[in-house]
Amino acid sequence: GQQLNQSPQSMFIQEGEDVSMNCTSSSIFNTWLWYKQDPGEGPVLLIALYKAGELTSNGRLTAQFGITRKDSFLNISASIPSDVGIYFCAGQKEMLEYGNKLVFGAGTILRVKS
Amino acid sequence: NAGVTQTPKFQVLKTGQSMTLQCAQDMNHEYMSWYRQDPGMGLRLIHYSVGAGITDQGEVPNGYNVSRSTTEDFPLRLLSAAPSQTSVYFCASTDGDRRNTEAFFGQGTRLTVV
Repeated sequence: GQQLNQSPQSMFIQEGEDVSMNCTSSSIFNTWLWYKQDPGEGPVLLIALYKAGELTSNGRLTAQFGITRKDSFLNISASIPSDVGIYFCAGQKEMLEYGNKLVFGAGTILRVKS
Repeated sequence: NAGVTQTPKFQVLKTGQSMTLQCAQDMNHEYMSWYRQDPGMGLRLIHYSVGAGITDQGEVPNGYNVSRSTTEDFPLRLLSAAPSQTSVYFCASTDGDRRNTEAFFGQGTRLTVV
């Protein structure tokens, strides 16, 4: 069953707002990954985290690998309309699996506030 | 550079029919995987392969078969389609380098079983 709890399930954003989402697990993961999926497309990697405590940025995106190795968060600063989509966290338990066996969260749907 | 190519993009099957979802990658990646995506559940691993001739089961393997006769191709076979297999299917590949766990996803196959 689902091993990663991702929240929130959905959220509305207004252009310029900061956005935050997170994933937690009862299990330890050795790698945390954040993906974005646009409609009709496959997920695309945004940020990969390999060490506990690691904080990594990719443009307006910042993600952290929790110190307990059981959680991670993703922040988007100054959101823009093209940020809408589904964001997934994914974890990899074993060091030797090299992205081959990922466990995904249920996703956070970002929508634009009208 | 095509990356990961999945065919078909859409398919409707009748209960009990069989079919094969095709996946090909041109990046010479060792690792390939199949996931299914269902609303509110993220992506779940069906089967994976760490190289030609080697396959193994993921989280939800029942009702599906795979084979890996070449590095490039990793077809997914539905033996006798059931309505519960209505889903979006994604194929992914990874190069297996321990420094790079990025999984590249295809555009998906949307399957409806009636």
